[in-house]
Amino acid sequence: DAGVTQSPTHLIKTRGQQVTLRCSPKSGHDTVSWYQQALGQGPQFIFQYYEEEERQRGNFPDRFSGHQFPNYSSELNVNALLLGDSALYLCASSLSRQGRLADTQYFGPGTRLTVL
Amino acid sequence: AQKVTQAQTEISVVEKEDVTLDCVYETRDTTYYLFWYKQPPSGELVFLIRRNSFDEQNEISGRYSWNFQKSTSSFNFTITASQVVDSAVYFCALSEPARGSYIPTFGRGTSLIVHP
Repeated sequence: DAGVTQSPTHLIKTRGQQVTLRCSPKSGHDTVSWYQQALGQGPQFIFQYYEEEERQRGNFPDRFSGHQFPNYSSELNVNALLLGDSALYLCASSLSRQGRLADTQYFGPGTRLTVL
Repeated sequence: AQKVTQAQTEISVVEKEDVTLDCVYETRDTTYYLFWYKQPPSGELVFLIRRNSFDEQNEISGRYSWNFQKSTSSFNFTITASQVVDSAVYFCALSEPARGSYIPTFGRGTSLIVHP
C-alpha cells in the first residue's frame, strides 16, 4: 500500500522565481492538504483540496496556489519566491466521507525548498 | 494565544528512562480531535495516535501511552523504557470543526534526544 509521495525531495531556487511541488495521496484517499514547516516550528496549514477545489485556506498570500487533479494528486505553486519561503513543504492526504471530514491526515516525506 | 502548547522545547534522556511529553490545548468546541505525530530526522510526520473529545480513556500501545484529561485540557504522551530510535521531534495537534472540515493545528513540537 503506497503511502503519500512527494516530489522533488529537495529544490533550490532564487528570489522571484516560481516553483511547483507535487504530491500523490495515499491509496484510497481523496483529500490533499499542504503545510509549510519552517525550521524549529510546527507545520502551518496552507490549504486543502477536495473534489478538485480548494476547500479551506490558511493564512497564506495569493502567491501560494494549488491544484488537484481527477486522480486526486495535487500541486502546490509558489510565485515570486521570497527568502522566507524557505521551508519544508509537507503534503498530507486523508479520506473525506460524507458527513465526516475529520479523518486522520497521513503525511509525505516533504519537499525541502531553499530560496537564495 | 496558542491553541496547542508544548512547553518542553527539548528533552534529553538516557536510554531506558521513561519520558513524558506534555501537550496542553485550548478550544471552545465540544467535538474535537487530538493527535500525536513523530517527526524523525528524515522529515516525514508519522501518525501515532488520534483521540476524540468524547473518549477520555487512556491508551497504551507497546512502550507508548497517552493520558487525555479534559479537566486540564491536556493530552500527554509517555514513552516507557526509551530507546535511541525514539529520538525525534514529537508534535501534538488539535483538530476542530471549521467550515465543515477539521484542519489540525500543530504545537511547536518537543525534540526528544535519547542517548545510548
